[in-house]
Amino acid sequence: DSGVTQTPKHLITATGQRVTLRCSPRSGDLSVYWYQQSLDQGLQFLIHYYNGEERAKGNILERFSAQQFPDLHSELNLSSLELGDSALYFCASSVGSANEQFFGPGTRLTVL
Amino acid sequence: DAKTTQPTSMDCAEGRAANLPCNHSTISGNEYVYWYRQIHSQGPQYIIHGLKNNETNEMASLIITEDRKSSTLILPHATLRDTAVYYCIVRVMEYGNKLVFGAGTILRVKS
Repeated sequence: DSGVTQTPKHLITATGQRVTLRCSPRSGDLSVYWYQQSLDQGLQFLIHYYNGEERAKGNILERFSAQQFPDLHSELNLSSLELGDSALYFCASSVGSANEQFFGPGTRLTVL
Repeated sequence: DAKTTQPTSMDCAEGRAANLPCNHSTISGNEYVYWYRQIHSQGPQYIIHGLKNNETNEMASLIITEDRKSSTLILPHATLRDTAVYYCIVRVMEYGNKLVFGAGTILRVKS
């Protein structure tokens, strides 16, 4: 158990819908990272927040957005969902921005 | 971030040491070598990291060659639960730096 929690574990929805994935970092960690893992793309970095502020963006689609709240939990919002958005979404946290990252169990999103 | 090359898959007998190689010939002086593993769609798990010197923790040992162009992750007594995809990643330990995952090595531990 890494100490990072993610909800929900599974999410099934339809194309065109919007969903929100939630992540609670380890106690004391200020950084939250989001990654997407699909069968054809592997694990890909989406976005990084540090203490409430966006610090880095990866290959995140414009339909996706994220934020980190004052209590340091983070949410990843996915809108106008497409079949290709079906994937595992992982959140990771670290103490600072340069330390090793600890991953949550992930949310499996299925878009039908 | 420097590119890494790992074998696609490896087998190891239970109870024996598993030695997973990684080539990173273009590594820069300020880049660290990190190892993560992912067990069957679970979240990736941090194993170990190092810069120049060999490192050991409760999970594994990391041996980095003197020229830093390659490294080996050693699981001293592999168990069936060590069956996973192992990722070797090189990255600069700096502000906001993401992890760039390759395809990794599928390690199968067999009884």
